[in-house]
Parts: sequence; C-alpha cells; structure tokens
Amino acid sequence: GDSVTQMEGPVTLSEEAFLTINCTYTATGYPSLFWYVQYPGEGLQLLLKATKADDKGSNKGFEATYRKETTSFHLEKGSVQVSDSAVYFCALSLNSGTYKYIFGTGTRLKVLA
Amino acid sequence: DSGVTQTPKHLITATGQRVTLRCSPRSGDLSVYWYQQSLDQGLQFLIQYYNGEERAKGNILERFSAQQFPDLHSELNLSSLELGDSALYFCASSVDLPGGLKSGELFFGEGSRLTVL
Repeated sequence: GDSVTQMEGPVTLSEEAFLTINCTYTATGYPSLFWYVQYPGEGLQLLLKATKADDKGSNKGFEATYRKETTSFHLEKGSVQVSDSAVYFCALSLNSGTYKYIFGTGTRLKVLA
Repeated sequence: DSGVTQTPKHLITATGQRVTLRCSPRSGDLSVYWYQQSLDQGLQFLIQYYNGEERAKGNILERFSAQQFPDLHSELNLSSLELGDSALYFCASSVDLPGGLKSGELFFGEGSRLTVL
C-alpha cells in the first residue's frame, strides 16, 4: 500500500553542519510530497512541499527535491542551527479513489552548539 | 498560531473510562483529520471528515469514534480506555476537497495529551 519511510533518528549534529534526512515513498499514482516540522510542545507545521516530479521545495534554508525515479524526497540544509532542533516528518497526499494523507514516523534532530 | 483549536490540552483518566476530545478547525476549512502520536508508533492516521461526512478511515479502533458537526467542529470519542491509549491526539484541518486539490497543507492544532492510568 501507500507509505512513507524516513530514516530513524535521533540525528545529532553540531551547529553549522550539513543535514540530510532521507525520505522515500511508495504510492499508486502521483502524490504530492511534504516535510512538516514539530517543535517541542507544538503541533506539526508545514516546512516545504513539492507537487510534481523534479519540483524543489524550499523554506528557511531547507530544501527537498521530488525525485520520481528514486521515489525520494530527501530533506537537506547546508548549515543547521540550534533552533532547528525538532522532529521532522515526511508526508504524502494522494487521491487514488480515496484521499490519503500519510506521514512517516518522524526523525528527531538535535543540534548542539 | 495555526488557527486550529483543540481542547482539552491535557487529560488524565483511568482505564475503562470514556473521554471526548474536541477540535475546532480553521475558519473556512471543511476537512478535519485526527491523528494519534505515540512514542513508539509515530503519527498514525485515525479518521478524516469532510463537511460532516466521513471520508477516510485509518487505523482507528472500534472503541474510538468521531463525528463532525454542522458547524464543522469535530469530536473524537475514546471509550473503554486502556493504558496503551495514552498518547497525543492531533487534529488537523484543510480546505482541500476530498477528491479535489492534489496538494494541500494540513494545519495542526497543538494536540490533546491523554494519559490513562
């Protein structure tokens, strides 16, 4: 069935390090892809999205490219900050008869000063 | 502030009891989604409503039920509670039609933390 798989955390990095969080998906059809971020004690909020193959979503220095050939949507940031410490969720939305919005299990990022 | 309001923020109850969680979506949003977030299982989709009608059902237990009212607020009812039901329950809303917009952002509330003792 349709699903999202993302790398397990926690991921611990030093400030200004390069970040990659892997996300792959399985879907029947052509999903839209999303990254959401959850800061401590808060709900999830949209970080970026891409609606079709080769689209690049970007926001707050984060980027992710919709790769249909590898069914991936990896999240990257060139230089992380302590304030980026949060849980990151990859997600897809799909209309294949019924509308689905599916999240990965989340990856916790901890950035050390 | 996402515009989605969930009450209560925290709830402590005993096994076997019943609780109701409430969600008010963003103004104008017709779809409401319920998710359960537990430490070991990530974010699990429970159920979705669109304009008062159930549109999609996920891993929702038979002990759980939900509805969306004419004013578009939604309630999630959890009964015969077990220790394993302790979790954060999130409500999210969107303006997406159920079979319409291909992409769409979900707006999440801050969650209701349920503790079953």
